[in-house]
Amino acid sequence: QSVLTQPPSVSAAPGQKVTISCSGSSSNIGNNYVSWYQQLPGTAPKLLIYENNKRPSGIPDRFSGSKSGTSATLGITGLQTGDEADYYCGTWDSSLSALAVFGGGTQLTVL
Amino acid sequence: QVTLKESGPVLVKPTETLTLTCTVSGFSLSNARMGVSWIRQPPGKALEWLAHIFSNDEKSYSTSLKSRLTISKDTSKSQVVLTMTNMDPVDTATYYCARATVTTGDAFDIWGQGTMVTVSS
Repeated sequence: QSVLTQPPSVSAAPGQKVTISCSGSSSNIGNNYVSWYQQLPGTAPKLLIYENNKRPSGIPDRFSGSKSGTSATLGITGLQTGDEADYYCGTWDSSLSALAVFGGGTQLTVL
Repeated sequence: QVTLKESGPVLVKPTETLTLTCTVSGFSLSNARMGVSWIRQPPGKALEWLAHIFSNDEKSYSTSLKSRLTISKDTSKSQVVLTMTNMDPVDTATYYCARATVTTGDAFDIWGQGTMVTVSS
């Protein structure tokens, strides 16, 4: 069972907007930056969002991130069929020592 | 160009020790702003973080797997090595190494392609 909680799946039509939630605690999301990763089928994860809401070079502004308290949200607008993937949130947990933690992943289906 | 590449056995037997190597290029393992983690993903399942090594050689391990893991690095060879003892079929997974940088808030900005390890007799 993952330390961070994500919905198993979300879906929306092309062109629409979708949000994916990520819930944690004060020892992880509450006191650390959140990052988001996109994993297309059969490929390694790719960094989408870092420091809660920043996008690496090359990531379109259709992808956005936010954080409030012990939860974070990934937003994707203008959905495309190529966005179909698994999305993971991640952060560090400082409860005992520096540990990285991930969510259970959310499968996005673009109907 | 920054790259990481995992290498190691494709198949290991139960109770054996797994040794994986992550060879990096485009940055130095002595860079104070960077560290490298090992992360695994069983087929059809979620990512699971295993271990991290910082530039100052400080190490951090998954609480649940700590007794079985050892992470180390050879800066001169640009390699990070993970050993996992007493392998079990439930350890069958794709194993990734990934870089974490201060400039991205310690997010994993570059990942290797992954190496699939099957544990079976």
